[in-house]
Amino acid sequence: QVTLRESGPALVKPTQTLTLTCSFSGFSLSTRGMCVSWIRQPPGKAPEWLTRIDWDDDKYYSTSLKTRLTISKDTSKNQVVLTMTSMKPVDTATYYCARIRCADNLVDYWGQGILVTVSS
Amino acid sequence: EIVMTQSPATLSVSPGERATLSCRASQSLSTNLAWYLQKPGQVPRLLIYSASTRATGIPPRFSGSGSGTEFTLTISSLQSEDFAVYYCQQYSHWPPVFGQGTRLEIK
Repeated sequence: QVTLRESGPALVKPTQTLTLTCSFSGFSLSTRGMCVSWIRQPPGKAPEWLTRIDWDDDKYYSTSLKTRLTISKDTSKNQVVLTMTSMKPVDTATYYCARIRCADNLVDYWGQGILVTVSS
Repeated sequence: EIVMTQSPATLSVSPGERATLSCRASQSLSTNLAWYLQKPGQVPRLLIYSASTRATGIPPRFSGSGSGTEFTLTISSLQSEDFAVYYCQQYSHWPPVFGQGTRLEIK
């Protein structure tokens, strides 16, 4: 059974760095063909793809946010970590980690999401 | 980055009637287009991929069509559980991009 769960702060201040952890089970990110993405969704708006990391440590980033994002994995802990610098109020959103199909970036399992509010 | 445009923003339809939702891409996607449904407080649920293939467990009243830059999601006879927000998503090019959504509401 595949599960993913996001953890991290619910509230960050503007200019701070956000660090979120995705802890997963039911698969290994060292297995060929496995990929995990971070996707966020501001309240009342559409989802937005942020980044992806592959089993072979290839990484992909959103064009508009790539200077602020870092994704990494710890296969021994079954975790993926997202770091986002220089947080702004417009970054307020629910942040999801998701297992995706590497060949086509379709989500096959979602985490429950974590609402992160950026406010002073 | 590809831009996805959905229309209309809001669609009011009576239960039992047909709903047609549109999605346009700024570049050709071939058939690399998916549709998701999202209800309040839930994650998006995959309905259709490859423009016209229903995902596992999706009833046949949901159908997708189109290729290139123009796509359509049709719900043949609306049930109460179908009233939600629908998103199209391209996965032809990185990064994958969602449309802004169509809210399907009860008339």
